[in-house]
Amino acid sequence: QQPVQSPQAVILREGEDAVINCSSSKALYSVHWYRQKHGEAPVFLMILLKGGEQKGHEKISASFNEKKQQSSLYLTASQLSYSGTYFCGTGVSGGYQKVTFGIGTKLQVIP
Amino acid sequence: DAGVTQSPTHLIKTRGQHVTLRCSPISGHKSVSWYQQVLGQGPQFIFQYYEKEERGRGNFPDRFSARQFPNYSSELNVNALLLGDSALYLCASSLADRGNTIYFGEGSWLTVV
Repeated sequence: QQPVQSPQAVILREGEDAVINCSSSKALYSVHWYRQKHGEAPVFLMILLKGGEQKGHEKISASFNEKKQQSSLYLTASQLSYSGTYFCGTGVSGGYQKVTFGIGTKLQVIP
Repeated sequence: DAGVTQSPTHLIKTRGQHVTLRCSPISGHKSVSWYQQVLGQGPQFIFQYYEKEERGRGNFPDRFSARQFPNYSSELNVNALLLGDSALYLCASSLADRGNTIYFGEGSWLTVV
């Protein structure tokens, strides 16, 4: 079952902040965040692992609430280059690495 | 260092034909996964291979198959192509078989006519 992302779309002015949320009905082992620009492949932003380890991008942060199976991606002081579709992917405990992606959040940053 | 490389980047096939997509992972990565992304959706998991063994399979028909070679590169094969197979096919590599970042290649755009 794919994670649910909100909002589905958001428009920001340069310099504004945004939060994208991701929730799952399953107990999560990992949460993965990617940004995809039109016609390009998804680019890795952040991975959060159960137990609190976090690796990611210098200007983007995220949180992972293991009890609620929720994650949030925080974009601060947005730039035009932040525009794109943001995907949350979730991994569950198991014998292999399968990341299940949501349908994405379209973010547009305008001048 | 080179990232994940995929070939071909674009291709057009006719219904009923067969297609082979190729992927070379990041040097040192032993796990390769394949994803299908249709317009307006997130990537959907097809297969994962680790150390040349299939470790996981998504909800795709048997027309889809894959393999991993001793150098960790991989092929995705799709037989009897349908119009609905038109999509971006993404290869992703990671260091180990679970719990690691997956890095996507640029993808192969497949159009079935």
